[in-house]
Amino acid sequence: GAVVSQHPSRVICKSGTSVKIECRSLDFQATTMFWYRQFPKKSLMLMATSNEGSKATYEQGVEKDKFLINHASLTLSTLTVTSAHPEDSSFYICSARDDSQPQHFGDGTRLSIL
Amino acid sequence: QQQVKQSPQSLIVQKGGISIINCAYENTAFDYFPWYQQFPGKGPALLIAIRPDVSEKKEGRFTISFNKSAKQFSLHIMDSQPGDSATYFCAASAEIGFQKLVFGTGTRLLVSP
Repeated sequence: GAVVSQHPSRVICKSGTSVKIECRSLDFQATTMFWYRQFPKKSLMLMATSNEGSKATYEQGVEKDKFLINHASLTLSTLTVTSAHPEDSSFYICSARDDSQPQHFGDGTRLSIL
Repeated sequence: QQQVKQSPQSLIVQKGGISIINCAYENTAFDYFPWYQQFPGKGPALLIAIRPDVSEKKEGRFTISFNKSAKQFSLHIMDSQPGDSATYFCAASAEIGFQKLVFGTGTRLLVSP
């Protein structure tokens, strides 16, 4: 149980385009979803916390206009990287939880901006 | 105060040996301490977790030792296997604030055959 699916697993796009990443909880209703960014050989850095039906809460230093988060349902959250540039290239990971269990993570999205 | 310090940064253990990774925290509001295992190109997977009301928790070859007064906790991997080679992260969270996890810096474990 507690499966979190993230799509796509890898995306390569040109600078200036917007990229959407989906995070789905497959077998539970996720009251809270989290988005992380991870640089090579580094730890996970929390970007934002989102609750279904409300605006995401962003961590200090994370540009909310650059990283748009939508948590439209109890099983789906999306992260849109707007006007992506090479410095946005990274490994983006989502996690989800409900009130009864810990965070379960997706397998991440490797984003490469050319 | 939100930091979780993790050591060592990397660890090489022979097959069959014991791997030990240590973490320390400052925030006394933390009440949940999980360990995650991450393979390259994958998301972290929950390995084992502990709450401060117990001093030790064991699941198979994995044991967490918790010292509340010292604000330290550690992961012990008994009979380490090459398949255990991965990056391990400790983390901590508090009940309030939707249980946001604060991660340690990670330990890259290599178990040699």
